[in-house]
Amino acid sequence: QVQLVESGGGVVQPGRSLRLSCAASGFIFSAYTMHWVRQAPGKGLEWLASISYDGTKKYSATSVKGRFTISRDDSTNTLYLEMDTLGSEDTAVYYCAKEGDRPYFFHYWGQGTLVTVSS
Amino acid sequence: SYVLTQPPSLSVAPGETARIPCGGINIGSKSVHWYQQRPGQAPVLVIYYDFDRPSGIPERFSGSNSGNAATLTISRVEAGDEADYYCQVWDSTSDLLVFGGGTKLTVL
Repeated sequence: QVQLVESGGGVVQPGRSLRLSCAASGFIFSAYTMHWVRQAPGKGLEWLASISYDGTKKYSATSVKGRFTISRDDSTNTLYLEMDTLGSEDTAVYYCAKEGDRPYFFHYWGQGTLVTVSS
Repeated sequence: SYVLTQPPSLSVAPGETARIPCGGINIGSKSVHWYQQRPGQAPVLVIYYDFDRPSGIPERFSGSNSGNAATLTISRVEAGDEADYYCQVWDSTSDLLVFGGGTKLTVL
């Protein structure tokens, strides 16, 4: 069965960087577009970034463009999100998600990892 | 960028039908996907491409999309359906994925 396990969250000071990981299993990782989505406390879902199955196409939300970078390592079935210059507005649960067999939706989700930006 | 509008909350009695709207300009020309998020849990896909149901999702969940509104319909509502529901589309103009603000469904 599909499993997505995020890690790397925690408490980080404002202005610092953090890298999140998502370990994927149960499917052919290299065949699917992958995504990051976040949810601030008590708020709705916000799509952050996508990376195509072969890593050649990357898209990101306007709110994080230039600060967050999505990448993947197909040799280890791992998705990454590099986050720079973090601010309090980045405090959220971060989910990785697998796209479906058809594009532009999130078929499976991980359980999320909490990032708290605080001094 | 493209905006999806959902009512913040909706209440329905057990056994009744819940209809959760998702508004957007000419949303009928886009494909709409729906997610259920129970408290403290990750979202779960319940409808994709307007009306398709993933395996394991009860037939009580259905979707429609036309004009300026898409709708998630939950028939014979149960207590376990109490959750937040989000609609989502891909905006081809901006190449961005967009979520609605979410609707909290309360089962009375």
